[in-house]
Amino acid sequence: KNQVEQSPQSLIILEGKNCTLQCNYTVSPFSNLRWYKQDTGRGPVSLTIMTFSENTKSNGRYTATLDADTKQSSLHITASQLSDSASYICVVSDRGSTLGRLYFGRGTQLTVWP
Amino acid sequence: EADIYQTPRYLVIGTGKKITLECSQTMGHDKMYWYQQDPGMELHLIHYSYGVNSTEKGDLSSESTVSRIRTEHFPLTLESARPSHTSQYLCASSDPGQGSTGELFFGEGSRLTVL
Repeated sequence: KNQVEQSPQSLIILEGKNCTLQCNYTVSPFSNLRWYKQDTGRGPVSLTIMTFSENTKSNGRYTATLDADTKQSSLHITASQLSDSASYICVVSDRGSTLGRLYFGRGTQLTVWP
Repeated sequence: EADIYQTPRYLVIGTGKKITLECSQTMGHDKMYWYQQDPGMELHLIHYSYGVNSTEKGDLSSESTVSRIRTEHFPLTLESARPSHTSQYLCASSDPGQGSTGELFFGEGSRLTVL
């Protein structure tokens, strides 16, 4: 069983609408959680990183939350744009950056329609 | 914009052929990785390197091999390609230095199709 589960698997929204993507993990110990955006045919790009002590972090129209007690994270996209169409991947690290193992979710495929 | 490059972007070859996927980065990162990505599935680590002359196998068993003769270069080789090797291959690097957050910088990928 994958230690990082993302939902929904896919999502279609209209341009200008908001949406929230979910990431649940069982990885332990926990070091940090990253959200990556992967455009079709491209490599993933980091959007934000959440550490144990952080609850909320924003990057433009993207806002990530973390509840380390329930081992849940969400990525909220505000006022969606066509360029937000991509796969969003949740990645959890179990230790520090040099020794940590990375656990990948399968991603949520977001499609934004005009 | 990450300075990590993969070639070729797309490759279609016949069974039994030898192929090398190239990966180069100009960021001076010591750690480099190869991931395999299939549609709807999570990325799987197939090889990684901590630096020059260091290579390790990842979590996913792979018939490919890698080398790390120079810091900036981390090529992946398949001696005899098979249809089961058809996949997207992503190269990445990270800065393991003090204060690093472990962010992965990915290349744009090499999509391999073996007929």
